Amino acid sequence: DAGITQSPRHKVTETGTPVTLRCHQTENHRYMYWYRQDPGHGLRLIHYSYGVKDTDKGEVSDGYSVSRSKTEDFLLTLESATSSQTSVYFCATSPLTYEQYFGPGTRLTVT
Amino acid sequence: ELKVEQNPLFLSMQEGKNYTIYCNYSTTSDRLYWYRQDPGKSLESLFVLLSNGAVKQEGRLMASLDTKARLSTLHITAAVHDLSATYFCAVEVNRDDKIIFGKGTRLHILP
Repeated sequence: DAGITQSPRHKVTETGTPVTLRCHQTENHRYMYWYRQDPGHGLRLIHYSYGVKDTDKGEVSDGYSVSRSKTEDFLLTLESATSSQTSVYFCATSPLTYEQYFGPGTRLTVT
Repeated sequence: ELKVEQNPLFLSMQEGKNYTIYCNYSTTSDRLYWYRQDPGKSLESLFVLLSNGAVKQEGRLMASLDTKARLSTLHITAAVHDLSATYFCAVEVNRDDKIIFGKGTRLHILP
């Protein structure tokens, strides 16, 4: 398995506060992705990166921003968290746009 | 915009029976992926299908891809309880780096 870690694994925060989730990989994969998983919606792509400093929007990018300053790290920021952003967030990596390897997930609760 | 539809979304079946999960998608794509997710866990890659007519098999699971019909199937042969999980298909948009998931099929196999 690709070495993918996510931090934190669990977080509870209040509405209106900024939140940053981190995805770290040790496989030197070029592509990195952030998804959110909600009941009835499957996984929805938030943002993805195809290289250092190269990112693009996914299906549900409003309210989220990302940064990738190093190959191994992909940060997801909620500038001002809302209750609708309560979800499980998964990071994934891929050496090419082939098989993705998923991290363990971060459960975020916004109260 | 790419839409990925899976059906059924929920399937309860007896051990020993055969069944098929369908994944339809709306735009041209040559790459399709199947994943498995156990409750509370991350996603695990099952199959990578990279061309029209591709067929992959692993144990009691077989996946196929028909790019002309924009359809992939995941066939389960003689189901066993250990196959109970949620199965996702994911489609890569041609000439883009986005990978879009279906909503998942929750499979429950009764002993």
